[in-house]
Amino acid sequence: DSGVTQTPKHLITATGQRVTLRCSPRSGDLSVYWYQQSLDQGLQFLIQYYNGEERAKGNILERFSAQQFPDLHSELNLSSLELGDSALYFCASSVGVQGETQYFGPGTRLLVL
Amino acid sequence: AQTVTQSQPEMSVQEAETVTLSCTYDTSESDYYLFWYKQPPSRQMILVIRQEAYKQQNATENRFSVNFQKAAKSFSLKISDSQLGDAAMYFCAYRSGSGGSNYKLTFGKGTLLTVNP
Repeated sequence: DSGVTQTPKHLITATGQRVTLRCSPRSGDLSVYWYQQSLDQGLQFLIQYYNGEERAKGNILERFSAQQFPDLHSELNLSSLELGDSALYFCASSVGVQGETQYFGPGTRLLVL
Repeated sequence: AQTVTQSQPEMSVQEAETVTLSCTYDTSESDYYLFWYKQPPSRQMILVIRQEAYKQQNATENRFSVNFQKAAKSFSLKISDSQLGDAAMYFCAYRSGSGGSNYKLTFGKGTLLTVNP
């Protein structure tokens, strides 16, 4: 158990819908990272937050957004969902902004039908 | 941009034997970190080992060790005394250590390791 929690574990929804994925970092970690794992794209970095502020963006679609709250939990919002958004979404956390070692949560498996 | 290449999509090993998984990377940076993560059927991403580029000594964690060849940009993982629980997808990952704003992990495509009893 890495200490990073993610909810829900599984999510099934329809195209065009909007979902919210939630992540709680390890105690004491200030940075949260979101990654997407799909069969065709592999593991890809989406976005990083540090202590409530966005620090880096990767291949994140405009339909996707994220935020980190004062209690340091983070949410990833996916809207106007398409079939291709079906993937495993991981949250990872690290102590500082430099992501010294990132510890991953169990992931949320999203299936868009 | 940095790239990570794992040239072995699949590997197999007999229980109690030793296996080496390969990873090469491309970067123009001198300061960086390399990682091996394990993803078992549960899909959890588990950190196996980490190597700082500035350290010449190869990292070791129990049965797991790396062979870090900085000049060759090679970072292989050796698993000794393989166990059934080692069966998983193994990902090599790169993280920039340079000053900047992005400390994302860049992953290879993974190597699926099968352990035969």
